[in-house]
Amino acid sequence: QLQLQESGPGLVKPSETLSLTCSVSGDSIISGDYMWGWIRQPPGRGLEWIAFMYYSGTIHYNPSLKTRVTISVDTSNNQFSLKLNSVIAADTAVYFCARQRHITDWLDPWGQGILVTVSS
Amino acid sequence: QSVLTQPPSVSAAPGQKVTISCSGSNSNIKNKYVSWYQQLPGTAPKLLIYENDRRPSGIPDRFSGSKSGTSATLGITGLQTGDEANYYCGTWDTSLSAGVFGGGTKVTVL
Repeated sequence: QLQLQESGPGLVKPSETLSLTCSVSGDSIISGDYMWGWIRQPPGRGLEWIAFMYYSGTIHYNPSLKTRVTISVDTSNNQFSLKLNSVIAADTAVYFCARQRHITDWLDPWGQGILVTVSS
Repeated sequence: QSVLTQPPSVSAAPGQKVTISCSGSNSNIKNKYVSWYQQLPGTAPKLLIYENDRRPSGIPDRFSGSKSGTSATLGITGLQTGDEANYYCGTWDTSLSAGVFGGGTKVTVL
């Protein structure tokens, strides 16, 4: 059974870089049929799609976050990562990693999520 | 502001039916597949409907999806207290070249 698990610091200072990793178990991240990426949810609010990528390197970004986001895949460790730089308080959110199906774009499975708070 | 528009809340008594609308545009819903997600309090979203009207294994047939033009609809029949959750629609936007979600709809069982 495919499972995703986020990891990283739960507290980041303003202007610094948020770094998260998603570990994938139960299947290989090497698949042309799926993208791997990140979604976030500020406290009490809705979902925001951040960025997804194919293991081959093609990346799709939310235009509103593109200038601050870096996403990468580590096929040797079957994991992928997110970096969001110059964070502000509005970046405080639960960050989920997920798999997205090519063409039909459904998201499944999702990681359990990790709360990242931006505060000094 | 979300790219897709959902009502903030819907409610009904146990056993009744609710429908949740998801309104988009030609650059997203019209020509792309819609999926729906259920988010129970304190948990990650779970795929409920994919490819407009298909249910993953384990999702009861009380849940249904449909799409017409630039809108999609999620239906829940035989409402149960365990269905109280936030529901989100999602799809791909070809203009943004990115995934998009609705703002979410809270379902309350009266």
